[in-house]
Amino acid sequence: QVQLVQSGAEVKKPGASVKVSCKASGYTFTTYGMHWVRQAPGQRLEWMGWINAGNGNTRYSQKFQGRVTITRDTSASTAYMELSSLRSEDTAVYYCARAPRADNSYYYMDVWGKGTTVTVSS
Amino acid sequence: DIVMTQSPDSLAVSLGERATINCKSSQSVLYSSNNKNYLAWYQQKPGQPPKLLTYWASTRESGVPDRFSGSGSGTDFTLTISSLQAEDVAVYYCQQYYSTSSFGQGTKVEIK
Repeated sequence: QVQLVQSGAEVKKPGASVKVSCKASGYTFTTYGMHWVRQAPGQRLEWMGWINAGNGNTRYSQKFQGRVTITRDTSASTAYMELSSLRSEDTAVYYCARAPRADNSYYYMDVWGKGTTVTVSS
Repeated sequence: DIVMTQSPDSLAVSLGERATINCKSSQSVLYSSNNKNYLAWYQQKPGQPPKLLTYWASTRESGVPDRFSGSGSGTDFTLTISSLQAEDVAVYYCQQYYSTSSFGQGTKVEIK
């Protein structure tokens, strides 16, 4: 079955970076896109960016531009999201979520990972 | 950026009764070239990721019970649960994917 398995919880200090992985299985990785969405405690879902898993093209939310990098490793069917210059407000659950097509980011999210909790604290 | 606003923030409905959630976008999410509304609805239960219910405003995702239906066009959308079941207790989010995706603040549905 289609599955997205994310890496485990992280605790980081302010100013550090975090890299979250999302391993896909049950489908052809390169024919879909992958979104990254976060949810801070008590807050709404927030879109961070997207990658075309086929050609590696990316698109980022202006809010995170310059701090977020989304990459993929097609040989491992894995997408990655790295967020730098962490601050306490970045404490959140980070989700990867599949886009039903790879060609552009203007799609909904049909399969979600279980989420990775990132805590930023001194 | 497109701002999504849901109403109400929470509602309590009796089992078997209808639940209606509204979602309004700050600008139209209807793409004229393909006549599609770039609007999806999700259900999120505590400790779980969101689950896709409907997309293109009214297309139900495979496996989603037919008591869930989406409607609307342009800037005004509705998710209707025709006969509320106990397992429908959750927070529901609308999302636009017309222009750098954004979500509503969520609507919490409880049993009265």
